[in-house]
Amino acid sequence: GAVVSQHPSRVICKSGTSVKIECRSLDFQATTMFWYRQFPKQSLMLMATSNEGSKATYEQGVEKDKFLINHASLTLSTLTVTSAHPEDSSFYICSARDRAPTAPTNEKLFFGSGTQLSVL
Amino acid sequence: AQSVTQLDSQVPVFEEAPVELRCNYSSSVSVYLFWYVQYPNQGLQLLLKYLSGSTLVESINGFEAEFNKSQTSFHLRKPSVHISDTAEYFCAVSEGPNTNTGNQFYFGTGTSLTVIP
Repeated sequence: GAVVSQHPSRVICKSGTSVKIECRSLDFQATTMFWYRQFPKQSLMLMATSNEGSKATYEQGVEKDKFLINHASLTLSTLTVTSAHPEDSSFYICSARDRAPTAPTNEKLFFGSGTQLSVL
Repeated sequence: AQSVTQLDSQVPVFEEAPVELRCNYSSSVSVYLFWYVQYPNQGLQLLLKYLSGSTLVESINGFEAEFNKSQTSFHLRKPSVHISDTAEYFCAVSEGPNTNTGNQFYFGTGTSLTVIP
């Protein structure tokens, strides 16, 4: 199946610093990528939808100036957590939508392996 | 908005024993239901899905799930687990099928299945 690579898998940073997370579709082109986060013991929640070449669409309650999303190519989207604080510590995961799914499954959505962010 | 409840955060089970991972969702409107699995250090992978038709769906590795509309449930079962089934399992609900244009997925909190030798 298609592969989505997400880096880094784990990052620890100091409060006030910025952290960039990359999401790459390795063997397909993704016109749309999604960013989710999961706080401990809570559900994966959609943060934003990223479309190649245009501005991301953020879910209610997600600060767009804090969580900068760039989707400059059909294979790469980045999420930058700016001025991270301890409350931003969470599990972040991306997914990418294949613009040309293949038979027989025609599955379109593929997930990265996630990034565990810890802000000290 | 939808909500998805996975009641069991951790499920330990002995090898070759049966297992059921529970999933309930909130909406009574038409939904599409999915189970994703995440093996250690890997991404979420689609395990099985219900879009329409037969309410019992199966995966290639022996898992099955049954859509129960009256109980708004989509429990995942396997009659005999293997060590390799140890993973995190996520139930998800969408208002559109994965094969269609992208729709928002609503995930449960995940169930960590540990198969004990």
